Amino acid sequence: QVQLKESGPGLVQPSQTLSLTCTVSGFSLTSYNVHWVRQPPGKGLEWMGRMRYNGDTSYNSALKSRLSISRDTSKNQVFLKMNSLQTDDTGTYYCTSLEGYWGQGVMVTVSS
Amino acid sequence: DIVMTQSPFSLAVSEGEMVTINCKSSQSLLSSGNQKNYLAWYQQKPGQSPKLLIYYASTRQSGVPDRFIGSGSGTDFTLTISDVQAEDLADYYCLQHYSYPLTFGSGTKLEIK
Repeated sequence: QVQLKESGPGLVQPSQTLSLTCTVSGFSLTSYNVHWVRQPPGKGLEWMGRMRYNGDTSYNSALKSRLSISRDTSKNQVFLKMNSLQTDDTGTYYCTSLEGYWGQGVMVTVSS
Repeated sequence: DIVMTQSPFSLAVSEGEMVTINCKSSQSLLSSGNQKNYLAWYQQKPGQSPKLLIYYASTRQSGVPDRFIGSGSGTDFTLTISDVQAEDLADYYCLQHYSYPLTFGSGTKLEIK
């Protein structure tokens, strides 16, 4: 059974770094891509970036200077790190295969 | 980056009616190699994660009712929902996965009268 689950802090201070973990089960990170997608409250979906099955990464053009995606295949985990957070980075962050499997999302609030 | 222009922003229909949602890409999503259009449609119900409805522009994901129909090619795509049901209340998004960075449309909110 394929599952993805996001975890991380619910509250981050402005200018600080966000660190999120996506733990996957039911498939291998060396066979499938994992993407990060976020959604500000009441707004649309924004694709953030991808960890490819071979370890390559791709990023949203507007975020790439602040964003880093990495993985630990032994733990079946994909990591998102984004620095210099501002209030408009508040929202729900999802990890997903995009092919049909999504995590439940983790709400992140950027506030002092 | 490929820009996805989605319309309308919102629409309200009665059960049993048909709705059409449009998505236009700033460049062709048709692969010359396999003749597939790299366009997907997602449904997001209130409080839930998005759900894949359609991929390759017109292929229905397993378990998706056949009242959801994807069509189009190149730069112009349509999601048609025939015989709308109350359970179809949701936001709908298109996504181009032809080239990176991937880009979503701005979304369409479907309300049921």
